[in-house]
Amino acid sequence: EAGVAQSPRYKIIEKRQSVAFWCNPISGHATLYWYQQILGQGPKLLIQFQNNGVVDDSQLPKDRFSAERLKGVDSTLKIQPAKLEDSAVYLCASSRKTGTSGGGEQYFGPGTRLTVT
Amino acid sequence: EDQVTQSPEALRLQEGESSSLNCSYTVSGLRGLFWYRQDPGKGPEFLFTLYSAGEEKEKERLKATLTKKESFLHITAPKPEDSATYLCAVQARSGNTGKLIFGQGTTLQVKP
Repeated sequence: EAGVAQSPRYKIIEKRQSVAFWCNPISGHATLYWYQQILGQGPKLLIQFQNNGVVDDSQLPKDRFSAERLKGVDSTLKIQPAKLEDSAVYLCASSRKTGTSGGGEQYFGPGTRLTVT
Repeated sequence: EDQVTQSPEALRLQEGESSSLNCSYTVSGLRGLFWYRQDPGKGPEFLFTLYSAGEEKEKERLKATLTKKESFLHITAPKPEDSATYLCAVQARSGNTGKLIFGQGTTLQVKP
């Protein structure tokens, strides 16, 4: 079974520029998550999708971050404009669980390391 | 507020020297507690899920246990390839979100 795919693996941009990350979850996984991991910290959830719909985006800085999951499969996360404090690894994860039960193991991709200069 | 604290932040062991990592948590109703391993430059790799106090799970040299306030990851006779950052996360029962709340991790180094 193929794992979660992410691209690009690395990105360096200047502040105020925009950037987009792509994620392809494990086949058959209905739930998709984007996490932000700052160096030395654990991942923090930005947004959770179940199929096409947003379940939780309470910690997404909506003035600069946006995300979409078209057709319930692939997802993109965008930052516009980027700030220095956005430098982090952006992790995509997916899980099989559906419905209101939440839960279940989440499987992570390799992440995109973003550096904002 | 739901919170996870891991200790120690870093741990150095000699090969074969057993030890334990601690994960203390406060959560408004625990749905599950998860342990992940993260190697440098990679995403977290799932290890275990524990659901209720008293539960234990094992995988090779790793054993995870759970109480009502904390979880331990016991490493028996570690090898250099066990070197990694170990992350603990909790999932709350409230709401329909699958959000994981992570601790900051324990970085383990096993020397030959």
